[in-house]
Amino acid sequence: QKEVEQDPGPLSVPEGAIVSLNCTYSNSAFQYFMWYRQYSRKGPELLMYTYSSGNKEDGRFTAQVDKSSKYISLFIRDSQPSDSATYLCAMTVAAGRRALTFGSGTRLQVQP
Amino acid sequence: NAGVTQTPKFRVLKTGQSMTLLCAQDMNHEYMYWYRQDPGMGLRLIHYSVGEGTTAKGEVPDGYNVSRLKKQNFLLGLESAAPSQTSVYFCASREWGAKSSYEQYFGPGTRLTVT
Repeated sequence: QKEVEQDPGPLSVPEGAIVSLNCTYSNSAFQYFMWYRQYSRKGPELLMYTYSSGNKEDGRFTAQVDKSSKYISLFIRDSQPSDSATYLCAMTVAAGRRALTFGSGTRLQVQP
Repeated sequence: NAGVTQTPKFRVLKTGQSMTLLCAQDMNHEYMYWYRQDPGMGLRLIHYSVGEGTTAKGEVPDGYNVSRLKKQNFLLGLESAAPSQTSVYFCASREWGAKSSYEQYFGPGTRLTVT
């Protein structure tokens, strides 16, 4: 069983839709939770992060962490064609090398 | 700032050949990482370095070697390439220190095909 599970999609939605992306994980030591966005043939770029449990909002994006359920989510409101990309969840423990453990990524396509 | 750069962008190797991938960062970051990305597998850590002259194994180190002779450079070597090493390789770097320094900055990737 993978340490981080993520539905690979692809997920296709119309422009303006609300998108929900999710990951589950098994390692209770994870403290930092991140969402990276990766455009085709590019490197991942950090989109949002959350420390421990709770919500964080940044414009059209909201990240949620539920440590009791070992479940994290990314919501995208008013989705745009420019949001079409692969979204990778990533997480790490509070100490040590702080290497990231990634989900496999969800490919999102927003149709104009 | 160029950020994180990777050389080459593409490469095709025959089984058994060797090559070195170069990663360079101009952000004075202490930590550097090499990942490989395969379909359905996400990014997996190959090797990492917590400072000049140090290296350590990650999740999938077999078949690879690394060196960090200069702080700004992190080299990934394949001594005898195998088809299973066909992948996209990403380098990343991160500053050392405060909680906010968890963010890793990624390079554009190197697409390697081993035939």
